[in-house]
Amino acid sequence: DTEVTQTPKHLVMGMTNKKSLKCEQHMGHRAMYWYKQKAKKPPELMFVYSYEKLSINESVPSRFSPECPNSSLLNLHLHALQPEDSALYLCASSQELNTGELFFGEGSRLTVL
Amino acid sequence: QQPVQSPQAVILREGEDAVINCSSSKALYSVHWYRQKHGEAPVFLMILLKGGEQKGHEKISASFNEKKQQSSLYLTASQLSYSGTYFCGTEPETVDRGGADGLTFGKGTHLIIQP
Repeated sequence: DTEVTQTPKHLVMGMTNKKSLKCEQHMGHRAMYWYKQKAKKPPELMFVYSYEKLSINESVPSRFSPECPNSSLLNLHLHALQPEDSALYLCASSQELNTGELFFGEGSRLTVL
Repeated sequence: QQPVQSPQAVILREGEDAVINCSSSKALYSVHWYRQKHGEAPVFLMILLKGGEQKGHEKISASFNEKKQQSSLYLTASQLSYSGTYFCGTEPETVDRGGADGLTFGKGTHLIIQP
């Protein structure tokens, strides 16, 4: 299994809603990442987990809250988002932190109304 | 710091060759190349580590000149399936390997292959 699975594929939410994005991989990778990608732009790193420990990217607003329940799962909790947060959210994993190939999921396309 | 990719866009006929360049102002530890088709996730093509090695993958190869902090992706005898946006991702030599620095992607090169 060489897949990174993300759910949901599409999400529409209001600015007062609370929702979560989920990511799962069963490749035994110990590093997992959240990237944000706006249309026609490159992916931008948001958060990194290595061995279920968070490395914080301080430029990410607190309305985004990551969680890594175990080595296979990664969540991104969303609360009080703004319309400018609408984007494709990509999850990726790699064998170890900052080493080797990134395996990307298909992404969750988020629209904030 | 974001690497600089050139050109921004390329239009080719099937069978023609293309070169995409990626440069950084920082000393690099590695350069990654990914291709992303519209509506899909980025797909890994290859990684080049400090040492100036050249790698190949079918008709797609890449080089890394660590003295110039530059990498080039070579697409030979292009096929329709090569269409997409190509991103280079770089890791600076001084990256905190235990920290959140990771890959920084260039703005991408949009490649269109026409029949």
